[in-house]
Amino acid sequence: DGGITQSPKYLFRKEGQNVTLSCEQNLNHDAMYWYRQDPGQGLRLIYYSQIVNDFQKGDIAEGYSVSREKKESFPLTVTSAQKNPTAFYLCATYRDVNTGELFFGEGSRLTVL
Amino acid sequence: QKEVEQDPGPLSVPEGAIVSLNCTYSNSAFQYFMWYRQYSRKGPELLMYTYSSGNKEDGRFTAQVDKSSKYISLFIRDSQPSDSATYLCAMSVTGTYKYIFGTGTRLKVLA
Repeated sequence: DGGITQSPKYLFRKEGQNVTLSCEQNLNHDAMYWYRQDPGQGLRLIYYSQIVNDFQKGDIAEGYSVSREKKESFPLTVTSAQKNPTAFYLCATYRDVNTGELFFGEGSRLTVL
Repeated sequence: QKEVEQDPGPLSVPEGAIVSLNCTYSNSAFQYFMWYRQYSRKGPELLMYTYSSGNKEDGRFTAQVDKSSKYISLFIRDSQPSDSATYLCAMSVTGTYKYIFGTGTRLKVLA
């Protein structure tokens, strides 16, 4: 089946640890995004990538890092510099900038203990 | 003022009711308008997608865009308990990467 796979679904982290969230897609879509979702705040853009080996900061990039070495993969690292990392993280893709439709993975819930 | 405003609810309706969900926006450059349904602890699922103004119907769902009023709506006919979820509106400008989301409206359909 074509789709977007995020892993792990649930992750617990101690303060001071870096963690990496995986996002893999087999839709052959060009662009990939990472959003953070907090209650009452909607979705906020962390990073996005339109092509391999290129990515741009979104509105809340501080404390996060990404890579885009393959078209299918866009992992997100939540570093210890992120002050409030507990949240629901969503990966999304779209085919090209002129179609407008954004598709999401199932999300990863990160809890910092 | 936020670019997109959406009433957070919760909105409770009896089964079979017609539900109206709405968003207002301030950026007249938005051309793509989307509605997503999100169940608890799941990723958003694209329900309806509209380009520019007008109506679009898909089964029990109708999306309306009124660009002159900067107002979009999602109507759900014959609502079912399985429609209970959070509904997010989203908008974007052609040729850009940027999507702006509403905060979501939580809907409860009571059996």
